[in-house]
Amino acid sequence: SQKIEQNSEALNIQEGKTATLTCNYTNYSPAYLQWYRQDPGRGPVFLLLIRENEKEKRKERLKVTFDTTLKQSLFHITASQPADSATYLCALDMISTGGFKTIFGAGTRLFVKA
Amino acid sequence: EAQVTQNPRYLITVTGKKLTVTCSQNMNHEYMSWYRQDPGLGLRQIYYSMNVEVTDKGDVPEGYKVSRKEKRNFPLILESPSPNQTSLYFCASSPTWDSLLPGEQYFGPGTRLTVT
Repeated sequence: SQKIEQNSEALNIQEGKTATLTCNYTNYSPAYLQWYRQDPGRGPVFLLLIRENEKEKRKERLKVTFDTTLKQSLFHITASQPADSATYLCALDMISTGGFKTIFGAGTRLFVKA
Repeated sequence: EAQVTQNPRYLITVTGKKLTVTCSQNMNHEYMSWYRQDPGLGLRQIYYSMNVEVTDKGDVPEGYKVSRKEKRNFPLILESPSPNQTSLYFCASSPTWDSLLPGEQYFGPGTRLTVT
């Protein structure tokens, strides 16, 4: 069956440390993988997109890796801050019959303690 | 300001009473999509549209209809709402890239729907 999994447990880290979030999937062949941030009661906000032929992408303190052999993406936030506390969602984008589909993971809650 | 707007933001209705949730974007995006978000299940795609008059089902289309008559608008229609459609709904839009595939999605603020 097709599945996309993120750490279901919340991740608690100390300010200044690197947070690493995992996204694993099975039986999908994504063209892209994206990461979003979601704060309570608000819509997701786009962070990074990585294509199937890319291994790594960076943006300021954020880094995402994409391993299509392992079917896994890692999302890193370096020098984390309390303001980084939120739920982080990964999403797979796939070409499908008739168009393009997006499948989201359930998200991982991150708490950064000062 | 570039944005996706949804209306209403909150709605309480009764079983069987037809309703429409509007979605509009001012970024001239080709791609638009509707999602519902339920605790523990994450965001699930209901319908999407690659462009005007082009729509397709997502993972959970049952009980919903959409239309895309103009590029900026993508309303979600519940012909006969039921309590299991109580959820938080998000509309999103995306530009298309060089391969004509959508890229990053811009989400609206959400519509919290309760069906009693």
